[in-house]
Amino acid sequence: NAGVTQTPKFQVLKTGQSMTLQCAQDMNHNSMYWYRQDPGMGLRLIYYSASEGTTDKGEVPNGYNVSRLNKREFSLRLESAAPSQTSVYFCASGRVFDSPLHFGNGTRLTVT
Amino acid sequence: AQTVTQSQPEMSVQEAETVTLSCTYDTSENNYYLFWYKQPPSRQMILVIRQEAYKQQNATENRFSVNFQKAAKSFSLKISDSQLGDTAMYFCASDSGGSNYKLTFGKGTLLTVNP
Repeated sequence: NAGVTQTPKFQVLKTGQSMTLQCAQDMNHNSMYWYRQDPGMGLRLIYYSASEGTTDKGEVPNGYNVSRLNKREFSLRLESAAPSQTSVYFCASGRVFDSPLHFGNGTRLTVT
Repeated sequence: AQTVTQSQPEMSVQEAETVTLSCTYDTSENNYYLFWYKQPPSRQMILVIRQEAYKQQNATENRFSVNFQKAAKSFSLKISDSQLGDTAMYFCASDSGGSNYKLTFGKGTLLTVNP
């Protein structure tokens, strides 16, 4: 089983460039999430989608947009990358409130 | 807003010994779930153990167990018979309760198991 698949694994951008991080899950989960991980900060929620067709802001949404394309796919877009967005990004999915989240393997993004 | 606090940025333990990682949380919900995740150097996030707040019995998974103190809002992880493969970052997480399910994570504890 693939679980949660994120692409790309690594990316280097220049300030002002745009890019989209892709995420897909094959577990028929309703909820999907984007987190960022920074040293000493743990994982912080950027955006989430409780179900197909809905998205909501998390703790650190500024500078990002998301699209829940269908039940399987949830993408994260950086319209104009900034050095402060250098981070490791994780996509996750979950079934219902009592189940743990399943994580992708992360994308390491560097903005110079 | 929910908060999860891990007060130990780093810990170390000798192989085969026992170590306890601390976590406190703050929530206004009555029914919620708590989790410990492990992140080895591979960067993969791995669920270690979870606890349902309405259950008084502490969860256990092989060498991993928790000490859940609901009134104190404390959720510590005990690792028995530590192994070299336990070396990782450990994150405590609490769910938000309610209909919009999302996890809030602590800042993590880096555990090193020494031979």
